[in-house]
Amino acid sequence: QVQLKESGPGLVRPSQTLSLTCTVSGGTITSGDYYWSWIRQSPGKGLEWLGYIYHNGATYYNPSLKSPISLSVDTSKNQFSLTINSMTAADTAVYYCARDPRYCTSTSCHDHWGQGILVTVSS
Amino acid sequence: QSILTQPPSLSGAPGQRVAISCTGSSSNIGANFDVHWYQQLPGTAPRLLIYSNTNRPSGVPDRFSGSKSGTSASLAITGLQAEDEATYYCQSYDNILSASIFGGGTNLTVL
Repeated sequence: QVQLKESGPGLVRPSQTLSLTCTVSGGTITSGDYYWSWIRQSPGKGLEWLGYIYHNGATYYNPSLKSPISLSVDTSKNQFSLTINSMTAADTAVYYCARDPRYCTSTSCHDHWGQGILVTVSS
Repeated sequence: QSILTQPPSLSGAPGQRVAISCTGSSSNIGANFDVHWYQQLPGTAPRLLIYSNTNRPSGVPDRFSGSKSGTSASLAITGLQAEDEATYYCQSYDNILSASIFGGGTNLTVL
């Protein structure tokens, strides 16, 4: 059974950069059957999809995001990562990584999720 | 304010049937983009309950079913059980925002 787990800092200072990593176990990130997403959940904005990456490095980001993000993949470690620059208090949220099966075609769906990591932006 | 509108809360007695609505517009559900549903228990990550409007992933009881018509979708739960008490989210794609979007969530209480 595939499992995903987020890792990274729980506290980030305003204007700093957030880097989170998702480690995939029980399955390979190089499977062509899946994309890999980041989603966050904050009390004020609910669930917000941030972007996804494919194993070959192809990415798609949510154009509505105020802060620019970057996704990367490390197939040798079976990991993918999220970077958000210039964090603000509005970026405080629980961040989830998730697997997106390609059988969901018109709208990506997320069939496995990590447990989530709370990231607080505060000085 | 979410683009996909769900009732903030709903309740039902054990054994009853409840339906959770998800109302969108011509740029998302009405544009023939699929709708997915998730269940989130307190303190846990969301769980995929229904994908592509009507399909259940393996392991999801057949008490859960999904439907879609026009600019709306609905999640029905029959034979309500105490363990169904959770928050439910719909998800679709919006072609104006060019992004996947979620509803605001419906908090279901089992009386």
